Amino acid sequence: DADVTQTPRNRITKTGKRIMLECSQTKGHDRMYWYRQDPGLGLRLIYYSFDVKDINKGEISDGYSVSRQAQAKFSLSLESAIPNQTALYFCATSDPGQSGYTFGSGTRLTVV
Amino acid sequence: QKEVEQDPGPLSVPEGAIVSLNCTYSNSAFQYFMWYRQYSRKGPELLMYTYSSGNKEDGRFTAQVDKSSKYISLFIRDSQPSDSATYLCAMSASDSNYQLIWGAGTKLIIKP
Repeated sequence: DADVTQTPRNRITKTGKRIMLECSQTKGHDRMYWYRQDPGLGLRLIYYSFDVKDINKGEISDGYSVSRQAQAKFSLSLESAIPNQTALYFCATSDPGQSGYTFGSGTRLTVV
Repeated sequence: QKEVEQDPGPLSVPEGAIVSLNCTYSNSAFQYFMWYRQYSRKGPELLMYTYSSGNKEDGRFTAQVDKSSKYISLFIRDSQPSDSATYLCAMSASDSNYQLIWGAGTKLIIKP
């Protein structure tokens, strides 16, 4: 099993719909992150959580919300999807040290 | 101006060539420097990690940090078609809780 699992892998949804992307990790790390990736813009941080009771906004949190259900689970919601939220979404986890981030395989989201 | 600048490419070189990938940064507090490799439709994976200035070698890969110039490099020797991917630099500092700041990524193409 992958260290970081994201579901779904691909999703097409309509404008205005609510959608949830899920992430679970088996690394036992406290820190988890949600990023979106767009061509030419690199990885942009949406939300991050340093433990179950800690949630922080990243640079592009507008239009998104998150829930940290457990140490291993961190979900991202789009309350009312819009076409410019079409992107590749990645979940990642890390420990407080500098061993780097472990990423999931991503969710390709298309909003039509 | 972005904190971390990276040429998006694409960079196309023949198989067997030495590849040089680079990032510049503006924050002198950065202490930890990483290179990630991302294959198409996959999440980034940690390739190299360096603390402070100096060189680090791992097989065909060498990471170099020049803090005085705020410049980091990744060299790939004897490049292979399987090295074709997007390479992202990332860096962090203790005073920002070790959160990674990312370059936009350079797409590398190794031609057989």
